[in-house]
Amino acid sequence: SQQGEEDPQALSIQEGENATMNCSYKTSINNLQWYRQNSGRGLVHLILIRSNEREKHSGRLRVTLDTSKKSSSLLITASRAADTASYFCATPNDMRFGAGTRLTVKP
Amino acid sequence: KAGVTQTPRYLIKTRGQQVTLSCSPISGHRSVSWYQQTPGQGLQFLFEYFSETQRNKGNFPGRFSGRQFSNSRSEMNVSTLELGDSALYLCASTYDPYNSPLHFGNGTRLTVT
Repeated sequence: SQQGEEDPQALSIQEGENATMNCSYKTSINNLQWYRQNSGRGLVHLILIRSNEREKHSGRLRVTLDTSKKSSSLLITASRAADTASYFCATPNDMRFGAGTRLTVKP
Repeated sequence: KAGVTQTPRYLIKTRGQQVTLSCSPISGHRSVSWYQQTPGQGLQFLFEYFSETQRNKGNFPGRFSGRQFSNSRSEMNVSTLELGDSALYLCASTYDPYNSPLHFGNGTRLTVT
C-alpha cells in the first residue's frame, strides 16, 4: 500500500489563489518530502521537512508536518498557471510515494 | 552538474519480449532507485541499489530485475513483457535515499503491444 496518500486527488483554482494539498502517512518517518511532476516528465524535489520540524518555507511554498497525526500539508500561495502539475509527498523510510494531487491553475 | 540521464526516452516492445532500460545518476550519487508510474497505480517502487548492491525491493514479480555497475550506472530489465508493463519508468539518484532529496530523470516511456 502507498505510504503517503495525498488529498485531494485533483484541485482546480484560479491564478492568484492559494492551493493546499494534504498528505497522510502510516509509519514513523525521519523526514517527509514533496515533489512536483509536470506531465510525462520526471519528478522535481520541492522541499524536505524533518520529523523534528513543524513548518518550513521555500519561496511561495509552505509545508507543515504534524507527526502526532501523521500528516503534512503543502501550501502554494499566489498560484500561477506554471504551477499546474501533479504534486506528491514521499516518505523516504520505505521509498514510497503517494498517489498525488493534480493541480490545475487557470489563467 | 549533469542531471540523471535515462535512455532510451521511448520504447515500443511486443508482448513476450524483454527490455533493458538504462540510468546514469548524478556524479557522486551512489544510490539509484527505480519506479514504475502508471495512471492506475501511481508511482510504485521497484528497487534501490547502493554501491552495486540491491538494498530494497518493491512488490514486483521476478520478471523485473536490475543491477548497478561500479560507476553507479544502473540498468533494469523486464523479461517476458506483458501489456500491463506499459508505463513510465523513472530512475532517481541521491547521496542518501533516507535523508536527501531524490533527483529524477525524465523517464523511459515503455509501450507494450
